[in-house]
Amino acid sequence: EAGVAQSPRYKIIEKRQSVAFWCNPISGHATLYWYQQILGQGPKLLIQFQNNGVVDDSQLPKDRFSAERLKGVDSTLKIQPAKLEDSAVYLCASSLRFRGGGYEQYFGPGTRLTVT
Amino acid sequence: GENVEQHPSTLSVQEGDSAVIKCTYSDSASNYFPWYKQELGKRPQLIIDIRSNVGEKKDQRIAVTLNKTAKHFSLHITETQPEDSAVYFCAASNDYKLSFGAGTTVTVRA
Repeated sequence: EAGVAQSPRYKIIEKRQSVAFWCNPISGHATLYWYQQILGQGPKLLIQFQNNGVVDDSQLPKDRFSAERLKGVDSTLKIQPAKLEDSAVYLCASSLRFRGGGYEQYFGPGTRLTVT
Repeated sequence: GENVEQHPSTLSVQEGDSAVIKCTYSDSASNYFPWYKQELGKRPQLIIDIRSNVGEKKDQRIAVTLNKTAKHFSLHITETQPEDSAVYFCAASNDYKLSFGAGTTVTVRA
């Protein structure tokens, strides 16, 4: 089966610019996650979707980050304006569901963002 | 929220020896504990997981143990090989939200 796809793989921007990342989950996976992974740390959940609804966005810096999952499939994560501390790898993951089993998460290759 | 602590942060072992990584969690409602392996520049890959109704699970050279009373779980890798060199992350889930440990960098010396 095809895995989680993400693009772009790398992005370099200047602070205060905006950037968008795209994710296509595994076919049939209802739950989609965006994580931020700063170098040397574990992934930190930013937002979780169940179909096209938000389940958890408690750690999303909503003043600059936004995400959507129109039609419950693909998702985009946007940062506007970017700060130096946003430099990280942004990982997208998906799972069949998030309750009652079947919630093994499968990760995409990530987008490495460098803010200068 | 859930807090997952992972030790050690780095681990160097001789090829053929065993490696053990330990994690503790804070939320007694957590019921799913996966382990991910991340090679340099690559995505995290699920290598083994355990649910709260099971105390131990094995898959070839890797095994995970869970002590719900003490709220800790461990990853055991036996007969380590050079390809086991990577960063390993433990995680805990309260049925919908995964919280990750900070990771353990494992280096297998030939």
